[in-house]
Amino acid sequence: EVQLLESGGGLVQPGGSLRLSCAASGFIFSINAVSWVRQTPGKGLEWVSAIDGSGSKTNYADSVKGRFTISRDNAKNTLYLQMNSLRAEDTAVYYCARETPPYFVSGSYDYWGQGALVAVSS
Amino acid sequence: SYELTQPLSVSVALGQTARITCGGNNIGSKSVHWYQQKPGQAPVLVIYRDTNRPSGIPERVSGSNSGNTATLTISRAQAGDEADYYCQVWVSGTAVFGGGTKLTVL
Repeated sequence: EVQLLESGGGLVQPGGSLRLSCAASGFIFSINAVSWVRQTPGKGLEWVSAIDGSGSKTNYADSVKGRFTISRDNAKNTLYLQMNSLRAEDTAVYYCARETPPYFVSGSYDYWGQGALVAVSS
Repeated sequence: SYELTQPLSVSVALGQTARITCGGNNIGSKSVHWYQQKPGQAPVLVIYRDTNRPSGIPERVSGSNSGNTATLTISRAQAGDEADYYCQVWVSGTAVFGGGTKLTVL
């Protein structure tokens, strides 16, 4: 069974940093592109970043470029999102999602985690 | 930047057909994916590449895409179909989501 489990969310002050993790199981992690998608409470979905299976290709939304870094450790079957210079508008539930293989930034998201809440407030 | 426009809400009587649209410039030239999200839950893929259903999605859920509009159609609507629905495409290596449509089954 495919599972994605996020962790690392919490309350952080504006300007602070946080690292999210997403532990994957039930599939060959290294051949799948994965992404982070966020959702502001009560609002819609916003794509944040994507990384290919090898970790050599990454894409970012303009709203987080230069502040967030996506990475992965295929030996640990884990996806990461390092978030720096956090702003109030980054407050959201952050989901990791698997892109249907063999696609990278062209397929659908066939599995999603349950999300991790990040709250940026003083 | 590319935008996807969805109606905020759609209502359908129990057992009738609901159609949720997703408008975008020449969206017919792109692959459209649709997700269902119920309160407090993660999104679930219900249609991929315009017309394809993942395993476990009933045949009464279908999709189409042409011109400037993609459409998600839910036939014989049930109470369990009440949810938010989002369309999604890829544009220059970034994913774009529609604003979402709340489907109410009356």
